[in-house]
Amino acid sequence: QLQLQESGPGLVKPSETLSLICIVSGGSIRSSSYYWGWIRQPPGKGLEWIGSIHYSGNTYYNPSLKSRVTISVDMSKNQFSLRLSSVTAADTALYYCAKDLGNHDILTGYYKPNWYFDLWGRGTLVTVSS
Amino acid sequence: QSALTQPPSASGSPGQSVTISCTGTSSDVGGYNYVSWYQQHPGKAPKVMIYEVTKRPSGVPDRFSGSKSGNTASLTVSGLQAEDEADYYCSSYAGNNNPVVFGGGTKLTVL
Repeated sequence: QLQLQESGPGLVKPSETLSLICIVSGGSIRSSSYYWGWIRQPPGKGLEWIGSIHYSGNTYYNPSLKSRVTISVDMSKNQFSLRLSSVTAADTALYYCAKDLGNHDILTGYYKPNWYFDLWGRGTLVTVSS
Repeated sequence: QSALTQPPSASGSPGQSVTISCTGTSSDVGGYNYVSWYQQHPGKAPKVMIYEVTKRPSGVPDRFSGSKSGNTASLTVSGLQAEDEADYYCSSYAGNNNPVVFGGGTKLTVL
């Protein structure tokens, strides 16, 4: 069955760029309606949605992070990635990748998110520190 | 500060029912039927328990139910069991400018 696995450095220096990938196994990242998302959780705190992407490239971002975030899809490797620039200690968190089933909007012909995540990776802890 | 407001804690004895609230505004909870609820056990990834206000994914016990009135959504857990002890987070669609917002989470304790 479909599984997600986050991968990337566990330690990033302040002002540098955090880069993570999410490997999709057991299925195709090109599944027509699926959106792929990133959510983070600072230690001992709540969840924060970072953004979501469709394999077609349609992307939604959290406006509070939008100026620093890029989410992209690599169909050849069946994975999607997160880049967060100019990190500070406030970006220290457990980073999850997740799947949104999405749906086909008959009126527009586009695929839209369902705005909830039905499959999650285990998460990867990223610490921002010098 | 989270966009949606949840009580930090809730509790109940085995077999009892407990309801967790999630208060937003007309721009999120009150404006759309895209409220979801997640259960998170310590050290585990969140698991969706309710989506689109009232719908239960396959495999989620029918002891879990969701509802909404105005700008407040609620998750009710009936017939509490020890394994229900976890953190619960609500989430809502909030429009294209800020699509996904979460509540701060509620720690449910089974006494």
